[in-house]
Amino acid sequence: GAVVSQHPSRVICKSGTSVKIECRSLDFQATTMFWYRQFPKKSLMLMATSNEGSKATYEQGVEKDKFLINHASLTLSTLTVTSAHPEDSSFYICSANRFGRGEAFYEQYFGPGTRLTVT
Amino acid sequence: RKEVEQDPGPFNVPEGATVAFNCTYSNSASQSFFWYRQDCRKEPKLLMSVYSSGNEDGRFTAQLNRASQYISLLIRDSKLSDSATYLCVVNSGGSYIPTFGRGTSLIVHP
Repeated sequence: GAVVSQHPSRVICKSGTSVKIECRSLDFQATTMFWYRQFPKKSLMLMATSNEGSKATYEQGVEKDKFLINHASLTLSTLTVTSAHPEDSSFYICSANRFGRGEAFYEQYFGPGTRLTVT
Repeated sequence: RKEVEQDPGPFNVPEGATVAFNCTYSNSASQSFFWYRQDCRKEPKLLMSVYSSGNEDGRFTAQLNRASQYISLLIRDSKLSDSATYLCVVNSGGSYIPTFGRGTSLIVHP
């Protein structure tokens, strides 16, 4: 299956600092990537859709100035959490769309996630 | 009404049992359907795509019922390692943005 990597897997930072998370599609090109966050025992929450070469589309309630997304190439999207606060502590997961087979027009492959802890 | 609905469970079954989950979707224009599996504190992994003709992979069988707007996942001969949350994902026509169900928790016990 397709491989998506995410780096770092775990990060602890101090309140007020910024953290950058990278998401890479390793064996396919992805014009579209997605960023999610997930709190313990909760559902995945879509934060934004990252489109290569254009601005990201943010979901309602997600601050675009706080969660900066850059999709500079067909294999790399980055999420920067600016001026992080303890309430930003969460599991951040990226995913990339790849053309599927037959009726499965797009299949989505997830990175392993980044666990962010803000102290 | 939520776009994609799943019974959160948990479904608690003994090893060797057969268990089935359903997932209903509200958008009749939906075109692509998937089941993902998510283990605790891990990312979701694609389990299988769901085709109109159904899809079978070993102990797992997925079916699509467009008339009633639901998909199903059947797991035969459950293993302890099948314990996880199973997420239903739907892509609607014209949109490549997937919609996730909240997931169904499965616990397989000895």
